[in-house]
Amino acid sequence: GQSLEQPSEVTAVEGAIVQINCTYQTSGFYGLSWYQQHDGGAPTFLSYNALDGLEETGRFSSFLSRSDSYGYLLLQELQMKDSASYFCAVRDNQAGTALIFGKGTTLSVSS
Amino acid sequence: ETGVTQTPRHLVMGMTNKKSLKCEQHLGHNAMYWYKQSAKKPLELMFVYSLEERVENNSVPSRFSPECPNSSHLFLHLHTLQPEDSALYLCASSQDVSLAGANEQFFGPGTRLTVL
Repeated sequence: GQSLEQPSEVTAVEGAIVQINCTYQTSGFYGLSWYQQHDGGAPTFLSYNALDGLEETGRFSSFLSRSDSYGYLLLQELQMKDSASYFCAVRDNQAGTALIFGKGTTLSVSS
Repeated sequence: ETGVTQTPRHLVMGMTNKKSLKCEQHLGHNAMYWYKQSAKKPLELMFVYSLEERVENNSVPSRFSPECPNSSHLFLHLHTLQPEDSALYLCASSQDVSLAGANEQFFGPGTRLTVL
């Protein structure tokens, strides 16, 4: 089967840097995605990593180590609007066609 | 606005009612999905449609019945639900069901369902 582990909650202050880790167990790994979901809103895509290394998109970066079955989302220069839930999700050819999501990490940013 | 709309946004129904959830995508995508999101649990995939054909059914009880009349519309028909079915039901679409690349999924705002 497949499983993903990520912390349930993270707190930080404005302007800080936060790293949200995700470890996964899959049979036929294709790639790791990150989604953001504000309270009451729809999940929205942030990033995707299929190969080892760091992908940077503005204040957000995502990292993948396939050998360690590990990835993280790095959020820099935190803003209040970054308070949301962040989900890692894997693409796995043993899981059919869809994404397998983690339980999500709730990030609370305070002033 | 993600290009995926869902109606209704909120629904309260009794265990003997029959209702339907509707999803429409305006993105020209070929794949559509139904997910269930319960508190403190990961998003659970329910159904996947590719070009109007169901390609996955993740052991979902028969009281949930999907319908995909065309590539832009997806329905979830509900009947004789249980209180534990109360959750946020999310619809999503993607370009296709390919595993290659990000194949980003675009989610609708969801229907908050309460079963009494």
